[in-house]
Amino acid sequence: GQQLNQSPQSMFIQEGEDVSMNCTSSSIFNTWLWYKQDPGEGPVLLIALYKAGELTSNGRLTAQFGITRKDSFLNISASIPSDVGIYFCAGLNYGGSQGNLIFGKGTKLSVKP
Amino acid sequence: NAGVTQTPKFRILKIGQSMTLQCTQDMNHNYMYWYRQDPGMGLKLIYYSVGAGITDKGEVPNGYNVSRSTTEDFPLRLELAAPSQTSVYFCASSSRGGGTGELFFGEGSRLTVL
Repeated sequence: GQQLNQSPQSMFIQEGEDVSMNCTSSSIFNTWLWYKQDPGEGPVLLIALYKAGELTSNGRLTAQFGITRKDSFLNISASIPSDVGIYFCAGLNYGGSQGNLIFGKGTKLSVKP
Repeated sequence: NAGVTQTPKFRILKIGQSMTLQCTQDMNHNYMYWYRQDPGMGLKLIYYSVGAGITDKGEVPNGYNVSRSTTEDFPLRLELAAPSQTSVYFCASSSRGGGTGELFFGEGSRLTVL
């Protein structure tokens, strides 16, 4: 089946640093999404991207939908301790009554104050 | 402002026991989902529902059953629990279903089968 390769698997950074993570696939997706999961909580949607080449920001977060439709990137600027958590990318293909939403394995972010 | 509520938050089961994970949403969403999350893995879809009375299998449905008698509730039943079902289970809902991927998740139910 379809798979998403998310990297890096984990990151340890200093507060104030910028963070970059990405997600790639051998398949084309119609929509890319980024979710964040705080420890002990469910994932929360951060950004949704609907068009190839689209660049969208949400505060200190910026995400891009790759031109090839096979990848997406998430950047976090000036990280703070509350950015700690697991970041999941998800790719969606239309079709069927619920689409086909595939999740990556996540990037675990740790921020050192 | 409850959103998606799951109970219980934690449960330990013995092999062969059965149980039901409850999920309720108060956002009047038609679409509801059950995912499982294993350590270091992404979320895998177990079952989903596009409205009351309609359910369908996801990627990993074996060993589970669901029902959807109301818009609000989407319980997940585990029959004959096995150690492979040790996982964290997330219920989610969406107002626009498969077209957007924009899901609202509950806080999760951590299940251990011994």
